[in-house]
Amino acid sequence: DVKVTQSSRYLVKRTGEKVFLECVQDMDHENMFWYRQDPGLGLRLIYFSYDVKMKEKGDIPEGYSVSREKKERFSLILESASTNQTSMYLCASSLAPPLNTEAFFGQGTRLTVV
Amino acid sequence: AQSVTQLGSHVSVSEGALVLLRCNYSSSVPPYLFWYVQYPNQGLQLLLKYTTGATLVKGINGFEAEFKKSETSFHLTKPSAHMSDAAEYFCAVNRGSTLGRLYFGRGTQLTVWP
Repeated sequence: DVKVTQSSRYLVKRTGEKVFLECVQDMDHENMFWYRQDPGLGLRLIYFSYDVKMKEKGDIPEGYSVSREKKERFSLILESASTNQTSMYLCASSLAPPLNTEAFFGQGTRLTVV
Repeated sequence: AQSVTQLGSHVSVSEGALVLLRCNYSSSVPPYLFWYVQYPNQGLQLLLKYTTGATLVKGINGFEAEFKKSETSFHLTKPSAHMSDAAEYFCAVNRGSTLGRLYFGRGTQLTVWP
């Protein structure tokens, strides 16, 4: 089974802190994604990566950055956390086109910024 | 432009009743279509997918969906709801481009009454 592991289930951080969310997948997938989930808004794509050191902005990249130094690991960075970044963060991975079909998701990290 | 529209942010049914969750998509190319389920404080789990071939797709937990190209729809059904089906359901489309990114609807919360 594909496994996507997010390093924390719950995090509480203070405003202005630098926050790292880590995601690791064990299926040698080329694509990795970070989504943010808020009630009534569904899943919104923050960033995705299609290869090591390669990244593309999603729909809401402001206030976030990412790092992909190894194929299996994709990190989301909040440079200076703000209360409006309190949310559920979901990491996902998939194969590259044309083999890709579904994305596989981690369990999510619920981040609260106080 | 919105790629996926889920009609109804909340659906309530009685246990044993038919479940119908609606999804319409927009895509200029033949899409891959997916339904995911999310239980509270969990990641997303794939219910079923349509890629090519038979338009009626069967998934886990007794769910199925039918791809109707003429209606650009991919509605999710289950003949008889169970209490354990209470969750949030997301429809998603892979438009066959953009490196395999999935576009998600805003989700439908299913409540099942005893």
